[in-house]
Amino acid sequence: QVQLAESGGRVVQPGRSLRLSCAASGFALSSAAMHWVRQAPGKGLEWVAVISYDGSFKQYADSVKGRFTISRDNSKNMLYLQMNALRGEDTAVYYCSTLPVAGTLDYWGQGTLVTVSS
Amino acid sequence: DVVMTQSPLSLPVTLGQPASISCSSSQSLVYSDGNIYLTWFQQRPGQSPRRLMYKISNRDPGVPDRFSGSGSGTDFTLKISRVEAEDVGVYYCMQGTHWPYTFGQGTKLEIK
Repeated sequence: QVQLAESGGRVVQPGRSLRLSCAASGFALSSAAMHWVRQAPGKGLEWVAVISYDGSFKQYADSVKGRFTISRDNSKNMLYLQMNALRGEDTAVYYCSTLPVAGTLDYWGQGTLVTVSS
Repeated sequence: DVVMTQSPLSLPVTLGQPASISCSSSQSLVYSDGNIYLTWFQQRPGQSPRRLMYKISNRDPGVPDRFSGSGSGTDFTLKISRVEAEDVGVYYCMQGTHWPYTFGQGTKLEIK
């Protein structure tokens, strides 16, 4: 069956960098645009970034633009989120998802927790 | 950015009774292809979100038919005809017409 598995979340100091990974199995990542969505503790969902199936198109939320970079390696079935200049407000569970807006199937990982704190 | 506003934010419901969640957008969600990319998600306690409904009223596989979506333009509604215990959680609307995608604040459904 399809699985998305995020990893890389941990406690990190403000101003530092972190890279999250999302491994896909049972599903060809190359067939879909992929998104990162985050959820601060006890809060709602916030869309973070998207990358097209081939990596040619990327969009970011204003809150992360210039600090975060989304990328993918379809040969490895992997999605990434490079997070630089981290702030306390970036503390959240980060989910990777296909987040389709039309009829294709909806897949989410279990999330990985990033805590930005000194 | 498009602001998505949900109401109510808290929804206590008696088992077997109907429930309704509203979602309004700060601008039209009609895309250039004529579609409206309004999506509903459910997040049960301790779980990742899952999509319930896409393009306003299309149910995802496995979603019970007691869930229905309606609306047009800037006003949308998710209805549950008879609430069951498994429906407890937080419901989010999301627009996927304009970048950046944006979510509503979430509506927490609980059993009275």
